[in-house]
Order: sequence, then C-alpha cells, then structure tokens
Amino acid sequence: DSGVTQTPKHLITATGQRVTLRCSPRSGDLSVYWYQQSLDQGLQFLIQYYNGEERAKGNILERFSAQQFPDLHSELNLSSLELGDSALYFCASSVVVTVNTGELFFGEGSRLTVL
Amino acid sequence: EDQVTQSPEALRLQEGESSSLNCSYTVSGLRGLFWYRQDPGKGPEFLFTLYSAGEEKEKERLKATLTKKESFLHITAPKPEDSATYLCAVQARKAGTALIFGKGTTLSVSS
Repeated sequence: DSGVTQTPKHLITATGQRVTLRCSPRSGDLSVYWYQQSLDQGLQFLIQYYNGEERAKGNILERFSAQQFPDLHSELNLSSLELGDSALYFCASSVVVTVNTGELFFGEGSRLTVL
Repeated sequence: EDQVTQSPEALRLQEGESSSLNCSYTVSGLRGLFWYRQDPGKGPEFLFTLYSAGEEKEKERLKATLTKKESFLHITAPKPEDSATYLCAVQARKAGTALIFGKGTTLSVSS
C-alpha cells in the first residue's frame, strides 16, 4: 500500500459528460502529480501541484483541469468527455517539489471508460 | 524531443533464466533515470534511481545500470513473482519535475 488513495476505482460514463477524480496523497506529501495511462501512449504526465499551487504542466487537454485543496487532496476534472479519454488515471505524490530521487508514490488509479 | 524507448515490449522467461531489459533515452540534459515496477491493476512502484553513466544499483534479483544513452535492468535467476511490467522513466532538466515514462516491458516468468 503506497498510502495514496484514489477514488473512484472504476467509472463508466458517456461522451460529453463531466467527471471528477479524487486523490489523497500520502500523509506529509505536498506534491501531487496526475498521469494518464493508455495502452498505446503509456504513462503521460498531465499536471503537478505543490502545496496548493500549480507547478508543472504536461500534455493536459484544455477540457481537463485540476486543483489541490488546503488539506492537500487533489481533484482532476475531465469535461466534454470523448471516447479517447478512456484510460487509467493515476495520482502520485512526493514530499518535495522536485522529484530528484524519482521516487513517486502512485495510487492504484481510476479506470475511466467513456461509452 | 525527450523520449524513452523500452525493449522488448514483452519477454517470457523460464524460472532461473536470466535476461536484461533495455531502456534507450534521448533527453536534453539528464537529471536522473528511474525504474518502476507495475503489477496488473496497480500503480507503479519505485525501484531505482540512477544519476550518472557507470552507476549501478541492486535489489534482490534486479540490477540496474546506466550509460550515456541507455539503461539496462538485469534480472538474475528470475522467479514467477518477478512477473510484472517494468517501466523506465527519465527526468530532463528542462522539463522540471515531470518524469517521462517509456511504454514498459511486460515480463512473464513461468515455473
């Protein structure tokens, strides 16, 4: 158990809908990262927050947004969903802002299926 | 463009049959190279960090090595419980904190 909690584990929705994925980082970790994993693309970095502030942005679509709250949990909002958004969404956390050691702690992911 | 390529995509071994996984990378200034293990239905789990060419790290039956263009994950006398997808990632200086992952090598070890 990594200590990172993600909900929901599975989510099935229709095209055009909006969903929210939630992540609680490990106790004491200030950085939260969101990654998307699909079969053809592998793990793709979406966005990072550190202590409530956005720190780095990857290939995140404009239809997607995220935030980190004062209690350090984070939410990833996906809107106007398309079939291609079906994927595993992982949250990871680390205690520091720069991951020099590469040691991210990943949750078990939220599997999104868009029909 | 920063890129990580892993080979082979899949590898089947018999228990005790040693082998190596390859991770080739192109990055503008390497901050670090990382290996993760991912079991089905789980999130990736950190294994190693390598910072400079010539560095090696070991953990049980796994040994990771790094050159200026690639990294190898050597698996010695594997057991069925070593079956998993092994992911390689790099952190480029210009990309800041983001890790760039390869697509992984899925290892199956049969008894």
